[in-house]
Amino acid sequence: GNSVTQMEGPVTLSEEAFLTINCTYTATGYPSLFWYVQYPGEGLQLLLKATKADDKGSNKGFEATYRKETTSFHLEKGSVQVSDSAVYFCALGGGGNKLTFGTGTQLKVEL
Amino acid sequence: GAVVSQHPSWVICKSGTSVKIECRSLDFQATTMFWYRQFPKQSLMLMATSNEGSKATYEQGVEKDKFLINHASLTLSTLTVTSAHPEDSSFYICSARGFGGADTQYFGPGTRLTVL
Repeated sequence: GNSVTQMEGPVTLSEEAFLTINCTYTATGYPSLFWYVQYPGEGLQLLLKATKADDKGSNKGFEATYRKETTSFHLEKGSVQVSDSAVYFCALGGGGNKLTFGTGTQLKVEL
Repeated sequence: GAVVSQHPSWVICKSGTSVKIECRSLDFQATTMFWYRQFPKQSLMLMATSNEGSKATYEQGVEKDKFLINHASLTLSTLTVTSAHPEDSSFYICSARGFGGADTQYFGPGTRLTVL
């Protein structure tokens, strides 16, 4: 079946540092891939997505590239801000519009 | 953007009682709603999928008689945890999908259930 593995947190960075959160997946076929973000006290929000191999999703300075050869969808940002502190979930879309999530990675950005 | 609310945000109940959690899409019609359960430091586990006006489809291993789901309108779905036990304590999250693919799922803020 489908599964998503992402790096454990928490990840603690200083403001303006470079961010990478690793995500790899196992799936049949070519699923769509997503990154969701959950700010404290709020619901999950779609951050970015990619629907086919070599697609790059981007939003709010975050980027992730769909790598079929390595079955990965790593999240990156060149310069994080304190306001980026949140929990980030990698997910893949399966049949019936169902989403399979990773365990989430908490990011803490300090001044 | 589209907003999904859940009520209550947290609830504490005694073992053996039933608890109802509401999920509402506030500014769009949800053709499908999903219910997830999240344990600490674990991923969201899909419990069931419900379409308005029809019976919910439960994932393998989820007891449908224990977790009753009703999706009576295009803006409201409810999850009732019947005869709750301490092992049912968890964070329950709903999402609602409008017209479109998986990327149009909008998530509620979640409900923390604690069963004493």
